[in-house]
Amino acid sequence: GDSVTQMEGPVTLSEEAFLTINCTYTATGYPSLFWYVQYPGEGLQLLLKATKADDKGSNKGFEATYRKETTSFHLEKGSVQVSDSAVYFCALSRSGDNYGQNFVFGPGTRLSVLP
Amino acid sequence: GAGVSQSPSNKVTEKGKDVELRCDPISGHTALYWYRQSLGQGLEFLIYFQGNSAPDKSGLPSDRFSAERTGGSVSTLTIQRTQQEDSAVYLCASSLVVVAYEQYFGPGTRLTVT
Repeated sequence: GDSVTQMEGPVTLSEEAFLTINCTYTATGYPSLFWYVQYPGEGLQLLLKATKADDKGSNKGFEATYRKETTSFHLEKGSVQVSDSAVYFCALSRSGDNYGQNFVFGPGTRLSVLP
Repeated sequence: GAGVSQSPSNKVTEKGKDVELRCDPISGHTALYWYRQSLGQGLEFLIYFQGNSAPDKSGLPSDRFSAERTGGSVSTLTIQRTQQEDSAVYLCASSLVVVAYEQYFGPGTRLTVT
């Protein structure tokens, strides 16, 4: 079945460091791809998305490019801040009528940014 | 406006007891989802409600789990005869049906079964 794999955490970086969180997926058809972020004590929030190959999603300095040839959607940020400390989830959404089962989430990667 | 709210935020219960978890979706959102997030795991889909249609229960792990959505708004997830493996964070999300990927999540209920 469809699946999402993320790099294991936790990832610990110093402020202003470069961030990459790897995400690869397995899916039939052409899914849409997402990054969600979960700040401490809060629900998941949509961070960015890409709906077709070569699309780049971006938000709050984060970017991810939908790479169909490598089935990847790696999350990057050039200079992280302490406030970026959170858990990041990669997810895919399959097309189809069954919206309940449409979303597949990765296990999440915890990021800690130290001042 | 108000986001998705869930209650309680934390619940500790003894094995064998029943628990009810509540979700208040965003007003006007017709789609509502329940997920389970176990330690170190991704989100596991449990059940989906869409308007007045029959819910998609295909993700419920056993018949001890059930959910209702009254009046197309508030939803309650019930776990009967809780087991230790039920310990997890239970997340609720809602969305406008035609924008399925724009799911708005609540903060979750952390359930601990002792």
